[in-house]
Amino acid sequence: SQELEQSPQSLIVQEGKNLTINCTSSKTLYGLYWYKQKYGEGLIFLMMLQKGGEEKSHEKITAKLDEKKQQSSLHITASQPSHAGIYLCGADSAGTASKLTFGTGTRLQVTL
Amino acid sequence: NAGVTQTPKFRILKIGQSMTLQCAQDMNHNYMYWYRQDPGMGLKLIYYSVGAGITDKGEVPNGYNVSRSTTEDFPLRLELAAPSQTSVYFCASSWDHRGPGNQPQHFGDGTRLSIL
Repeated sequence: SQELEQSPQSLIVQEGKNLTINCTSSKTLYGLYWYKQKYGEGLIFLMMLQKGGEEKSHEKITAKLDEKKQQSSLHITASQPSHAGIYLCGADSAGTASKLTFGTGTRLQVTL
Repeated sequence: NAGVTQTPKFRILKIGQSMTLQCAQDMNHNYMYWYRQDPGMGLKLIYYSVGAGITDKGEVPNGYNVSRSTTEDFPLRLELAAPSQTSVYFCASSWDHRGPGNQPQHFGDGTRLSIL
């Protein structure tokens, strides 16, 4: 079965700093999904990447998919307190999207 | 916009009791899913459904049952609650993946279940 490893497991950054979260798969990625979760809430969909080399941005968050490395990165520019939460990557290894595998998450804290 | 609605939000059960976690979506999605999230762990797929009347097991189905009689509803049943089922349960839904490109799953806010 596919496994996803996220790094780092937790991160504390000062407001205004940039940061990167990585998600590495044990198998070829057909689709990679990034979600954000706040405590006590569900997962909020951020971005979906499907093609090798694909890059998407939304506000100050950029995600890239390196298909050859079976890896995706999530980069936040000029972090804000509103970026705090748990970031989860989910992967589709069979091209079906009906059985996503999720990483264990990266907990982000943004200090003032 | 309601999206995916889960009830209840919190519940405490005694060992051996049974209960049903409710999930409803108003987006006319074909696919629905149940996950559990344990502390420090990612989400594990329990069951999923590709349409009314069709369900299939995920990674951790033991101790759970599901049914899908309508497109909108996908309840999860715990028959004999055990402490190992203490977790946060999330329901999700998505469009049919056989469209042009995969579709993201939309999640409910979760049900926090404790079994004592």
